[in-house]
Amino acid sequence: QQPVQSPQAVILREGEDAVINCSSSKALYSVHWYRQKHGEAPVFLMILLKGGEQKGHDKISASFNEKKQQSSLYLTASQLSYSGTYFCGTDPFNTDKLIFGTGTRLQVFP
Amino acid sequence: SAVISQKPSRDICQRGTSLTIQCQVDSQVTMMFWYRQQPGQSLTLIATANQGSEATYESGFVIDKFPISRPNLTFSTLTVSNMSPEDSSIYLCSVDTGTKTQYFGPGTRLLVL
Repeated sequence: QQPVQSPQAVILREGEDAVINCSSSKALYSVHWYRQKHGEAPVFLMILLKGGEQKGHDKISASFNEKKQQSSLYLTASQLSYSGTYFCGTDPFNTDKLIFGTGTRLQVFP
Repeated sequence: SAVISQKPSRDICQRGTSLTIQCQVDSQVTMMFWYRQQPGQSLTLIATANQGSEATYESGFVIDKFPISRPNLTFSTLTVSNMSPEDSSIYLCSVDTGTKTQYFGPGTRLLVL
């Protein structure tokens, strides 16, 4: 039931791009993306509602394919501040209760 | 958004004792959630606490072990009862501000010896 994220870990140089995927075995009403830095609380990035929409702010964007029950997070021209663990959170039943994915650890080096 | 504080920020406890964690938010919110996160792992929802109703627990979590109070729209407590070393974890509260977005508190780091 827990969404599976891939890859488990990514290492980047500044300026490189990355894609993080989130796959669910259940139909999804919405997908939420969070970033958590070590020792800190998860920070909300964006929410995508069913309808196959794409969203983005700054150089981080995401897509949601409800038919495939998948979402992808795109990080372009990565910055050192992008380092952290990224979690997708899925809401299969529109209850506002989130099931968090397995997580992807992203490290950006100069 | 919302500003959320938790107390204590960390604690070391003896097995068999109980610890109550407080979560305070700077605005009135309907939905508050309690999560557990073991080091290096994902977040697992323990329960949902809505003001004016009993907390609803997820599979694998029971009220006797994790009693929750929600006396008003800005405050909640989670008690970890009869603790064992397996309860060592980070406990986080979050709130939904009505925009289908959850904001998290800084967490309480618990070590049970």
